[in-house]
Amino acid sequence: KNEVEQSPQNLTAQEGEFITINCSYSVGISALHWLQQHPGGGIVSLFMLSSGKKKHGRLIATINIQEKHSSLHITASHPRDSAVYICAVGSQGGSEKLVFGKGTKLTVNP
Amino acid sequence: DAGVTQSPTHLIKTRGQQVTLRCSPKSGHDTVSWYQQALGQEPQFIFQYYEEEERQRGNFPDRFSGHQFPNYSSELNVNALLLGDSALYLCASSSVDRAGNTIYFGEGSWLTVV
Repeated sequence: KNEVEQSPQNLTAQEGEFITINCSYSVGISALHWLQQHPGGGIVSLFMLSSGKKKHGRLIATINIQEKHSSLHITASHPRDSAVYICAVGSQGGSEKLVFGKGTKLTVNP
Repeated sequence: DAGVTQSPTHLIKTRGQQVTLRCSPKSGHDTVSWYQQALGQEPQFIFQYYEEEERQRGNFPDRFSGHQFPNYSSELNVNALLLGDSALYLCASSSVDRAGNTIYFGEGSWLTVV
């Protein structure tokens, strides 16, 4: 069993829909990262969470430390949101080795 | 302010050869981590450098080695290349002194071994 599990693996939505991607982890962490990867390969950090909830534009990330679970929500999805979304966890504060989930491939159709 | 820059972006090598990949961290960052991402897979941690020393290492053979320079830039060297080393190599930078600081990734170096 992977230390970081994401669901779903693939997600297809219509423009405007509300999207939820889930992440569960089995190890103790100090921070959880939500990352976005486009086909070209580069990874962009969306959020780093150690507790509670963060919001940036149409993106919302939550984490429940007790349940070892995090969710990434996208409101009013748009075709430009199409990408692979990756959950990664780190075991030390700040500068740490990350363990990645397998990613969720999101396709938003117009 | 430039983010993380990696070079080269793409390269093709022959089995048995050696390759060097380079990474310049984001300004103000002193820690560089390297990851290998095979096609269709998640990134795997190779190693991390801080203060010119290897601080952590993942499950990679000694053919994979690295270096960090006084200006915090870093190199990843892979010797005796195997076909299975074909992957996207990602560099990530962060700062030890700013715990909780966001990690920044470069665009990666695509390595093809033929």
